[in-house]
Amino acid sequence: KAGVTQTPRYLIKTRGQQVTLSCSPISGHRSVSWYQQTPGQGLQFLFEYFSETQRNKGNFPGRFSGRQFSNSRSEMNVSTLELGDSALYLCASSLGATTGVVLYEQYFGPGTRLTVT
Amino acid sequence: GESVGLHLPTLSVQEGDNSIINCAYSNSASDYFIWYKQESGKGPQFIIDIRSNMDKRQGKRVTVLLNKTVKHLSLQIAATQPGDSAVYFCAETPNRDDKIIFGKGTRLHILP
Repeated sequence: KAGVTQTPRYLIKTRGQQVTLSCSPISGHRSVSWYQQTPGQGLQFLFEYFSETQRNKGNFPGRFSGRQFSNSRSEMNVSTLELGDSALYLCASSLGATTGVVLYEQYFGPGTRLTVT
Repeated sequence: GESVGLHLPTLSVQEGDNSIINCAYSNSASDYFIWYKQESGKGPQFIIDIRSNMDKRQGKRVTVLLNKTVKHLSLQIAATQPGDSAVYFCAETPNRDDKIIFGKGTRLHILP
């Protein structure tokens, strides 16, 4: 079974631009969560989507948004990029709570390394 | 507010010895606690979890201990191997469907 895939793996953007990152979950997984990882703040939860609906949200500004498609693939968008947005963005998928499997049995992708200059 | 922290940023252990990675949490309402392992260039990987109604849970070469009185969580790795070199994160979540809050991480370094 293929794992979680994220594209692109590396991205360089300049301040003020916007960026869209993509995540394809494991086949059959309906929940997709996004995390930002930085050396200073560690792993921080951005949001989680389940069946095309945002179910949980972290404490990030509105510049960070996401969506999930009917095939469970997910995208996250960051508008008006700031230098502090440079980070590794991780996507994780899971079957989802409605199947009785707890949310935290997640499988992470390799991440997208975003550098803002 | 909620927070999950780690006592030591780096832990060096002799190959073959046991490793103990500690974690403190502050949200007494958290019901599930999880340990993840992240190797260089990869996303975090689920290791083991424990629910708040348990004190101890064992897996293959790993044991998680939970002390709710002092809000402390630990991960014990038996007979540490070179492949155990990674950053280890503890994480917590209030319930099955809620967001997961990660700690800062501890780097485990294996000495030959």
